Amino acid sequence: EPEVTQTPSHQVTQMGQEVILRCVPISNHLYFYWYRQILGQKVEFLVSFYNNEISEKSEIFDDQFSVERPDGSNFTLKIRSTKLEDSAMYFCASSEPLVTEQFFGPGTRLTVL
Amino acid sequence: GEDVEQSLFLSVREGDSSVINCTYTDSSSTYLYWYKQEPGAGLQLLTYIFSNMDMKQDQRLTVLLNKKDKHLSLRIADTQTGDSAIYFCAESMNRDDKIIFGKGTRLHILP
Repeated sequence: EPEVTQTPSHQVTQMGQEVILRCVPISNHLYFYWYRQILGQKVEFLVSFYNNEISEKSEIFDDQFSVERPDGSNFTLKIRSTKLEDSAMYFCASSEPLVTEQFFGPGTRLTVL
Repeated sequence: GEDVEQSLFLSVREGDSSVINCTYTDSSSTYLYWYKQEPGAGLQLLTYIFSNMDMKQDQRLTVLLNKKDKHLSLRIADTQTGDSAIYFCAESMNRDDKIIFGKGTRLHILP
């Protein structure tokens, strides 16, 4: 069964460093999303991406964040200068047009020291 | 703003029914979901219900929606050890829209 994959599973970085979280969505999906979950808190929407552009972003998704679909298979989330409060589990998701289900990857745990 | 609330923990004996409750604030939500998360895994869609329905049954799962009270529940019949997980209540306005999640209810199965 096709699935969304994410790498790495755990990333540790120093405050101020740039990180890139990678996702491979399901191949025929056209909508892509990033969510995050700070420990003990809700899963929060960050950004959605369709047709090579951001379709919606939340207040969390400020200038420090960017997304890219550099080729036909990867979908990346970049954090330019990480802060301690960026420590969270980051989930990628994808969906087909006109289908209700968003398929989630297993997540990348980001730890900022 | 949009908000989804659910209790954080539920303990149930194996073989009993589990009922996980949720309330939401956005009356324009069209889709209401239950996602399951097992340790080390992503969020898996268990079931969803449209806002114009009041009940949906799928094998051991029953979803009840009280739109007037903005209350959603998930009943798992004959709870098994494999049902041990975190269950997230969630909502969205449209099919491809962002999903708004609750904090998740951790279901613990007692032998």
